[in-house]
Amino acid sequence: DAGVTQSPTHLIKTRGQHVTLRCSPISGHKSVSWYQQVLGQGPQFIFQYYEKEERGRGNFPDRFSARQFPNYSSELNVNALLLGDSALYLCASSPRTENTEAFFGQGTRLTVV
Amino acid sequence: AQSVTQLDSQVPVFEEAPVELRCNYSSSVSVYLFWYVQYPNQGLQLLLKYLSGSTLVKGINGFEAEFNKSQTSFHLRKPSVHISDTAEYFCAVIQTGANNLFFGTGTRLTVIP
Repeated sequence: DAGVTQSPTHLIKTRGQHVTLRCSPISGHKSVSWYQQVLGQGPQFIFQYYEKEERGRGNFPDRFSARQFPNYSSELNVNALLLGDSALYLCASSPRTENTEAFFGQGTRLTVV
Repeated sequence: AQSVTQLDSQVPVFEEAPVELRCNYSSSVSVYLFWYVQYPNQGLQLLLKYLSGSTLVKGINGFEAEFNKSQTSFHLRKPSVHISDTAEYFCAVIQTGANNLFFGTGTRLTVIP
């Protein structure tokens, strides 16, 4: 079975631009969570979606948004990119809302220049 | 509020020596505890987790951890490390009833030949 897949793997954007990151969860998993990992830090929670509804939001500005589709895949959108948005963005899928069985993808490395 | 403290940012150890990576947490409610490993340019892989029951938890790759409620600790141990164990290790918690993982800042384990 395929694990959690994220695309693209790497991305370079200019300040002020918009970016969309994509995640496909493990088959049968209905929960998708997004995390931001800045270099040298641990991952920080951004969003969780379960059954297409937002179930949790971390302390991130409104420039960050996400959605989940009927097939449980998810997109993370970031508007008006700042240099500080440069990070590894990780997606985790889980069969339930409680993320005690979270499986992570390889991440998308976003560089803002 | 919750927090996770990984007391050592870097731990160098010789091959075949034992290692302990320390993790302390604080939370006003009960928590579930996790250790994840991150190899260079990759996502996170679950090593082990404590949800309930025996306080000594065995994980993959020969790692184990012990939950100590009185000391609010969840230290990770391995009796004999290999070169392939060189990676970043993250301790994480989920408050019971919550959905998101809260990570520490990580410990970089370097195994020296």
